[in-house]
Amino acid sequence: DVKVTQSSRYLVKRTGEKVFLECVQDMDHENMFWYRQDPGLGLRLIYFSYDVKMKEKGDIPEGYSVSREKKERFSLILESASTNQTSMYLCASSPTSGKNNEQFFGPGTRLTVL
Amino acid sequence: LAKTTQPISMDSYEGQEVNITCSHNNIATNDYITWYQQFPSQGPRFIIQGYKTKVTNEVASLFIPADRKSSTLSLPRVSLSDTAVYYCLVGDMGSGAGSYQLTFGKGTKLSVIP
Repeated sequence: DVKVTQSSRYLVKRTGEKVFLECVQDMDHENMFWYRQDPGLGLRLIYFSYDVKMKEKGDIPEGYSVSREKKERFSLILESASTNQTSMYLCASSPTSGKNNEQFFGPGTRLTVL
Repeated sequence: LAKTTQPISMDSYEGQEVNITCSHNNIATNDYITWYQQFPSQGPRFIIQGYKTKVTNEVASLFIPADRKSSTLSLPRVSLSDTAVYYCLVGDMGSGAGSYQLTFGKGTKLSVIP
């Protein structure tokens, strides 16, 4: 089974702190994604990466950056956390080839910024 | 990426067949239709994907009319464990880095009642 793990299930940070959210997948997938999910808004794509050191902006990249130094790891960085970044963050991965380009999701990190 | 429209919520009794319809009027020739399921406090999970006519797997069926401007996810004999949010997505599953980007809408919250 594909496994996507995220570093924390719950995280509480203060305004202005630098926050790192880590995601690791064990299936050698080329593509990795970061979403945030908010009530009434569904899932929104922040950034995605289709190869090591490659990144593409999604729909809401403002206030975020990403890093992909190794194929299995994709990090989301909040340079200076703000209260409007309180949300559920979901990481996903998918293969470039294979069935349906299905995305496999991690369990999510619920981030609270005080 | 084509925009999709689906009902915000649906209720159903246990044992009934549930049909969730998704509208995607501006679907492109290369676009596929994909459905994901999300339980509370979990990431979405792939259910089914199709291009035209009917697709069936062990979980659900997907009906796509000839004009492809809508699709219907059918869940046979639902149980309480089918209570979840269901997302309809439309996108090109072909080549190119951008094709791996998925746009999740707000989804349909299905509540199964005993």
